[in-house]
Amino acid sequence: EAQVTQNPRYLITVTGKKLTVTCSQNMNHEYMSWYRQDPGLGLRQIYYSMNVEVTDKGDVPEGYKVSRKEKRNFPLILESPSPNQTSLYFCASSTAGDPRLNTEAFFGQGTRLTVV
Amino acid sequence: AQSVTQPDIHITVSEGASLELRCNYSYGATPYLFWYVQSPGQGLQLLLKYFSGDTLVQGIKGFEAEFKRSQSSFNLRKPSVHWSDAAEYFCAVAWMDSSYKLIFGSGTRLLVRP
Repeated sequence: EAQVTQNPRYLITVTGKKLTVTCSQNMNHEYMSWYRQDPGLGLRQIYYSMNVEVTDKGDVPEGYKVSRKEKRNFPLILESPSPNQTSLYFCASSTAGDPRLNTEAFFGQGTRLTVV
Repeated sequence: AQSVTQPDIHITVSEGASLELRCNYSYGATPYLFWYVQSPGQGLQLLLKYFSGDTLVQGIKGFEAEFKRSQSSFNLRKPSVHWSDAAEYFCAVAWMDSSYKLIFGSGTRLLVRP
């Protein structure tokens, strides 16, 4: 079954304690991205990756890091989490980043992060 | 600047009634338009998309949307709502002249009265 898998689904952590949210897709997609969802703001892109070892900032990259060492995995790293990073996070993947290629983004089920 | 607006935060309709969710975008370049649905505790599922051609597009679950370039709108419609349609709906837009960035609206939460 084609899917994007995020782990963990729920996480409560303390300020400053490094954490990683994993994202894995089994569709051999080149393009992957991370979003955060906050009430009244919709989804905002944090980082994206066009392919292995190619990553770039989205709209709200501050406080986050990513890596793309393998095509299937795109972990999101919070080196020193703060309460304003409490949010619902989604990973997405698609065959290519260019919408002219008529691609569709597939989303994971989300990770609800609380930083206290 | 590129932006997507969903003016209705909440909409409540009775089961069996028709539904229209509004979406407007700004920016002049050719848009690529999407509607996603998010059920409680779930990720986002694509309902439909518009890239080119017929401006009335059909999607899954009986939804359709119409692209009106003159109004910069891509409203989502359904003729008869079912209780299972209760969810949050997101309009998203990408633009041909920029590197792929899917910009989302703030969402509209649909409540269905029995």
